[in-house]
Amino acid sequence: EPEVTQTPSHQVTQMGQEVILRCVPISNHLYFYWYRQILGQKVEFLVSFYNNEISEKSEIFDDQFSVERPDGSNFTLKIRSTKLEDSAMYFCASSVGSGGTDTQYFGPGTRLTVL
Amino acid sequence: QQPVQSPQAVILREGEDAVINCSSSKALYSVHWYRQKHGEAPIFLMILLKGGEQKGHDKISASFNEKKQQSSLYLTASQLSYSGTYFCGTESLNRDDKIIFGKGTRLHILP
Repeated sequence: EPEVTQTPSHQVTQMGQEVILRCVPISNHLYFYWYRQILGQKVEFLVSFYNNEISEKSEIFDDQFSVERPDGSNFTLKIRSTKLEDSAMYFCASSVGSGGTDTQYFGPGTRLTVL
Repeated sequence: QQPVQSPQAVILREGEDAVINCSSSKALYSVHWYRQKHGEAPIFLMILLKGGEQKGHDKISASFNEKKQQSSLYLTASQLSYSGTYFCGTESLNRDDKIIFGKGTRLHILP
């Protein structure tokens, strides 16, 4: 069964460093998402991406965040200058259709630890 | 606006039933239910799109009361595998492609 994959599974970085989290969505999916989950807390929406552009973003997704689909398969989340509070689990998700009507399939997540 | 889930946590014995509620202060287009086990990604359970819609598979079902802006998830004759945190996610009527999740309800099933 096709699944969303994410790399790396765990990344440790120093505060102020840039990180890139990578996701490979399911191949026929058109909508892509990033969520984060701080340990023990709820899943928070960051951004949705469709047709090579951001369709919606939350207040969390400020100027230090960016997303890209550099080729036909990868979907990346870049954090330019990491802060301690960016430490969280980051989930990528994808869906065939728009998020409200279609199942979003989540990847296994990347645990980001900022020291 | 984040949906409100209740209860925060439930402990059941295997075979007992549970109801988890999700309510929103905004008019909703859809409600999504996910289950997440500790250290794992959320797993999709179901989407409810229409007011009055009820869905279910196996012994897990849900309803969506559009007028009350509420959804409930029903777990019948719970199994040990049902343990985890259940999140509802809502999309508002303006169809902004953004699903906002509640804080979750922790369900623990005892043998």
